[in-house]
Amino acid sequence: DGGITQSPKYLFRKEGQNVTLSCEQNLNHDAMYWYRQDPGQGLRLIYYSQIVNDFQKGDIAEGYSVSREKKESFPLTVTSAQKNPTAFYLCASCVTGKSTDTQYFGPGTRLTVL
Amino acid sequence: SQQGEEDPQALSIQEGENATMNCSYKTSINNLQWYRQNSGRGLVHLILIRSNEREKHSGRLRVTLDTSKKSSSLLITASRAADTASYFCATGRDTGRRALTFGSGTRLQVQP
Repeated sequence: DGGITQSPKYLFRKEGQNVTLSCEQNLNHDAMYWYRQDPGQGLRLIYYSQIVNDFQKGDIAEGYSVSREKKESFPLTVTSAQKNPTAFYLCASCVTGKSTDTQYFGPGTRLTVL
Repeated sequence: SQQGEEDPQALSIQEGENATMNCSYKTSINNLQWYRQNSGRGLVHLILIRSNEREKHSGRLRVTLDTSKKSSSLLITASRAADTASYFCATGRDTGRRALTFGSGTRLQVQP
């Protein structure tokens, strides 16, 4: 079953804790992306990676970190430096990262800070 | 403000009616895509239109692009209750940052 998966679906974090969101794809896509979505809002780009062992900051990278050690995996860590992390986080991938590529999205992780 | 901004923010229509959503952007683009999001889910790609195209069709979807006005529209004909979702435009460029820029979305409610 091909696709892109995210886990967990729901995540609760205490203030001051780091948490890591998982994103895995078996589509053999080179490019992967992390977006943040706040209620009733659009998607804002956090980080993206177009090749293994390389990634770039998006528009709202502060307080987040990523790694891309394997082609199929692009985990996102929400650090304690992120002051307002409660949001819906979406991971996406596409074949090469060209602007004409279709992005395929995972089902999302809803993070709540207690 | 964001590169892509949809108008209206929310739209409520009856089943069978047509729904039109608009997207405006600020910088030059190579293409524009439309995506759909059901509540609490990931986005699904609907259609892509390139900067040298003016209109494109896919089933009940019709997309137009006016690069002189930096705007695009998405028309859903003969709407169904299952079309209820949020719709986002996303602009792409082949130079500079190679990532899509998403708008704020239009929430469409189709009443049965």
